[in-house]
Amino acid sequence: NAGVTQTPKFRVLKTGQSMTLLCAQDMNHEYMYWYRQDPGMGLRLIHYSVGEGTTAKGEVPDGYNVSRLKKQNFLLGLESAAPSQTSVYFCASSYSRLNTEAFFGQGTRLTVV
Amino acid sequence: AQKVTQAQTEISVVEKEDVTLDCVYETRDTTYYLFWYKQPPSGELVFLIRRNSFDEQNEISGRYSWNFQKSTSSFNFTITASQVVDSAVYFCALIDIFGKGTRLHILP
Repeated sequence: NAGVTQTPKFRVLKTGQSMTLLCAQDMNHEYMYWYRQDPGMGLRLIHYSVGEGTTAKGEVPDGYNVSRLKKQNFLLGLESAAPSQTSVYFCASSYSRLNTEAFFGQGTRLTVV
Repeated sequence: AQKVTQAQTEISVVEKEDVTLDCVYETRDTTYYLFWYKQPPSGELVFLIRRNSFDEQNEISGRYSWNFQKSTSSFNFTITASQVVDSAVYFCALIDIFGKGTRLHILP
């Protein structure tokens, strides 16, 4: 049982480079989320998806894009990375948005230099 | 707007002491769910408990207990007889909105 898997686990980017973080879940969950975790800031929601082909903005969406072409995958893209995007990124999935717990991936530590 | 406040940034207690982590939330919804998650030093996030807005009964699971009070919009978490393994960051969440977390240090 893999649960939620994030790829890659670590990455260093130069300012202006682009990259995509991949999240895959094998629990047939409808809902998927991308969060960033920064010291003292807790977890902040970037984007989320309520099903295949649908996405919505969270609290801090600027500088990020997402896609959910397949139910099991949720991609987070950085088109032009900035040092302010240095963070730990967590993907999560849940059966429903309101009343079930989220299952989290192990995180991706991204450093933008 | 929905908001979760965990006013305690960091707490240190000596092993076997009891400790309470505070969580205050804001929402205009009448139906909502609250959660607690644990993030140990290894970094993963682990679900601890879910509570809906219609159930104000306290919950106990081993050394962990939760006190939900709708009147004060609080959902506090108590660890009884703390252990070093309880050292972690604890997050309170209102649906998918998280508080900033409380870092708990249990000193041997």
